[in-house]
Parts: sequence; structure tokens; C-alpha cells
Amino acid sequence: DPKIIQKPKYLVAVTGSEKILICEQYLGHNAMYWYRQSAKKPLEFMFSYSYQKLMDNQTASSRFQPQSSKKNHLDLQITALKPDDSATYFCASSQDWGGRAEQFFGPGTRLTVL
Amino acid sequence: GDKVKQSPSALSLQEGTNSALRCNFSIAATTVQWFLQNPRGSLINLFYLVPGTKENGRLKSAFDSKESYSTLHIRDAQLEDSGTYFCAAEEYNQGKLIFGQGTKLSIKP
Repeated sequence: DPKIIQKPKYLVAVTGSEKILICEQYLGHNAMYWYRQSAKKPLEFMFSYSYQKLMDNQTASSRFQPQSSKKNHLDLQITALKPDDSATYFCASSQDWGGRAEQFFGPGTRLTVL
Repeated sequence: GDKVKQSPSALSLQEGTNSALRCNFSIAATTVQWFLQNPRGSLINLFYLVPGTKENGRLKSAFDSKESYSTLHIRDAQLEDSGTYFCAAEEYNQGKLIFGQGTKLSIKP
């Protein structure tokens, strides 16, 4: 059974719309993260959460808003979508934040903005 | 400049041969992870390293924090080893992985 679930697997959106990417982890981890992989850049860190609290935000735009309704959930809301937002978005988790904790990644959500 | 530099960017090998991938860090990395991104796009954990060496089957990895580099050795390459290999480093208490650009590995029969 997959331990980190991301929904949907593929997502197509029109410019200007809003979408929510879902992430749930069943590893019992306390820290969760979002990363983005686009054709032009390597995997890049976006956000980190520990015990449902925002620890770090490396995104330049407020259009990206993480939402943690439960300890094992970290969704990503993206508003006013732009074609440049097209990428695969990966959710990850680790036992604890910072220090020495291995991160595990979900299968990703591939977003295409037309 | 790039905080994590991977080399080579691409590599083509004959089945059964050996290879070495490398990452150099311009940050004070305290831990390193190696991943294989398979053709479906999934990131598979290969190694999680504090300074030292680990081995798993045909794979062996080392991380030297003082010299700021990590290596991944693949012995007796198989077709299923094809994909893109990423290294990622974390600075102490930063809670984020910084990824290299990846090495695209192709294994030919």
C-alpha cells in the first residue's frame, strides 16, 4: 500500500483558475514538505511543516498556500494559475523536521496550466 | 552558483559495467540522500547518509562532509538501473533538501 498519497495524479487547469493538490501520509511522520520539479529547474523546495506549523516558505508568491487540516495532511492551494506553474509537485515527509531525518516522497501531481 | 553540483549530467553504459556518480556541495551539508527517479517519475530512496559509507546490493555510496562531496557507485549495471539519479543535501536544522540537477543514466543491452 502506498504510504504517501497524492491526488490527483494528473491535473489540467486554465490560466487564472485555482486548484488544490492533496497529500496524505501514513508513515506516522511529524514533518511534511512540498517540492516542485519543472522542466527548466531541478527539484526545488517550497514549504516545510512540523506538527502542522509552517517552518519554512521558499516560494516567492503568495499564490501558493499550504493547508494542514490534520497532522498527516498537507494540501497545496494554488490560485491565479499561470502557465509557468506547470510542473510536477511532490509531497514528502520525514519523522521529524530538521536535524537528521530521511525524507520520503509521494508519487507527485503533474500540473499543466493552459 | 549551484549549491549541489552533480556530474556527469548524462551517462550511457553497457549492461554489466560499473559507473560512478558524484555530487559536490558548496553548502555545509550534514546529510545526503540519493534518489532514483524512474521513467514513471517516482522518486525512489536509495541511500540516506551521514558522513560515511553505505552499501546495498550493487550500489555503494559515500559522503565526505569535510571534502564536501558524495559518490554513488553502481556495479554490474542492469537495464532496470536506467533513470535519473539525484543527490540532495540538507544543512543542519534547515529542514529542506537541496537537489542537484540529476544524472540521466541509460543502460544498453
